[in-house]
Amino acid sequence: QQKVQQSPESLTVSEGAMASLNCTFSDGTSNNFRWYRQHSAKGLEVLVSIFSDGEKEEGRFTAHLNRANLHVSLHIREPQPSDSAVYLCAVSPPSYGSSGNKLIFGIGTLLSVKP
Amino acid sequence: GGIITQTPKFLIGQEGQKLTLKCQQNFNHDTMYWYRQDSGKGLRLIYYSITENDLQKGDLSEGYDASREKKSSFSLTVTSAQKNEMAVFLCASSMWDNYAEQFFGPGTRLTVL
Repeated sequence: QQKVQQSPESLTVSEGAMASLNCTFSDGTSNNFRWYRQHSAKGLEVLVSIFSDGEKEEGRFTAHLNRANLHVSLHIREPQPSDSAVYLCAVSPPSYGSSGNKLIFGIGTLLSVKP
Repeated sequence: GGIITQTPKFLIGQEGQKLTLKCQQNFNHDTMYWYRQDSGKGLRLIYYSITENDLQKGDLSEGYDASREKKSSFSLTVTSAQKNEMAVFLCASSMWDNYAEQFFGPGTRLTVL
């Protein structure tokens, strides 16, 4: 069973400073990684999806995947107070038969961006 | 674009009560999901459905039933609510594809007295 862990549990950065979040997983055969953001009492918003080793940029959000090291990270360039939220890492293991597009989530990192 | 609607937004029940949560999507997506979110435990998959009338158990299906009445709707029933239970239930949908994005609804917050 795929296990997903995120660090740190919480992170405070100043507006404009780079924010870096980490996610480790247990099954290196996974091929589908996503970062979501969840503002308080709201649904999840997908930020970046990455399917192969390397880097994927979506606006101010960049994901780095290294499956050999079982690690995927999210870097937020020039964070703003409106980026304060919980950030969730999700991993979808390879699909077999009707197992579907299942996601295994980490617990999340609470990011606070101070003006 | 599309939207996922979950009803009700807040649900308060009594211990032992059967409670039903509803989800509607207008993306015309094939697959729908129910997740439970607890503080400190992340999201866990309860049930998912690949197409109308299909049901697949997730990791947390015990204590729940689900129903995919039509392509656009997916219901979840808590068969016997547990006292002091508090959680947020999130519905999601996606195309039937390993790489398809899952889009999430705003959630239903459950409190059991």
